[in-house]
Amino acid sequence: GENVEQHPSTLSVQEGDSAVIKCTYSDSASNYFPWYKQELGKGPQLIIDIRSNVGEKKDQRIAVTLNKTAKHFSLHITETQPEDSAVYFCAPLGSSGNTPLVFGKGTRLSVIA
Amino acid sequence: EPEVTQTPSHQVTQMGQEVILRCVPISNHLYFYWYRQILGQKVEFLVSFYNNEISEKSEIFDDQFSVERPDGSNFTLKIRSTKLEDSAMYFCASRLTENEQFFGPGTRLTVL
Repeated sequence: GENVEQHPSTLSVQEGDSAVIKCTYSDSASNYFPWYKQELGKGPQLIIDIRSNVGEKKDQRIAVTLNKTAKHFSLHITETQPEDSAVYFCAPLGSSGNTPLVFGKGTRLSVIA
Repeated sequence: EPEVTQTPSHQVTQMGQEVILRCVPISNHLYFYWYRQILGQKVEFLVSFYNNEISEKSEIFDDQFSVERPDGSNFTLKIRSTKLEDSAMYFCASRLTENEQFFGPGTRLTVL
């Protein structure tokens, strides 16, 4: 099955700085790469995703980059704000659309005002 | 915007009791999932459900667990005889056809 590693486990940045979280996966057949944000007491919310035929995707201050050869993808948050503080999970998905998401262990991001 | 809803938000039960966690997926979605998250840990897959049957389940989903879609809108997770280690947040998720899964707010289950 898919083995997912996420780094770092915790990350503290000053407001306005950038944050980068990296996710490595083992299943070369994975073709869908989402990032979820989980705020305290809430369920995971999809913030950005990328499919295997694309190398980079950007949505305002958030971007995801994919390196299929190296089997990793990264979340980039620019101009961080206190409301970005949360736990972020990567959850790559295998080639069969009905397979479940396999979550990484999460990265706790703290943005210090 | 349509969303997945879950009830109750918090369930407290005694060890050995049965609990039913309820979810209302987004109305036109076809695939349904239950995940759980033990406090401070990652989200773990329990079971997926499609076309009125289980399509995949994890090792966690043993004989004490069952799922049902009783009326075409609700999707339930039943734990027959709860154990202390079943204490966790339980999340329901649903999707239509694309990969994106939409998660509910979760039910916090506390087994005493």
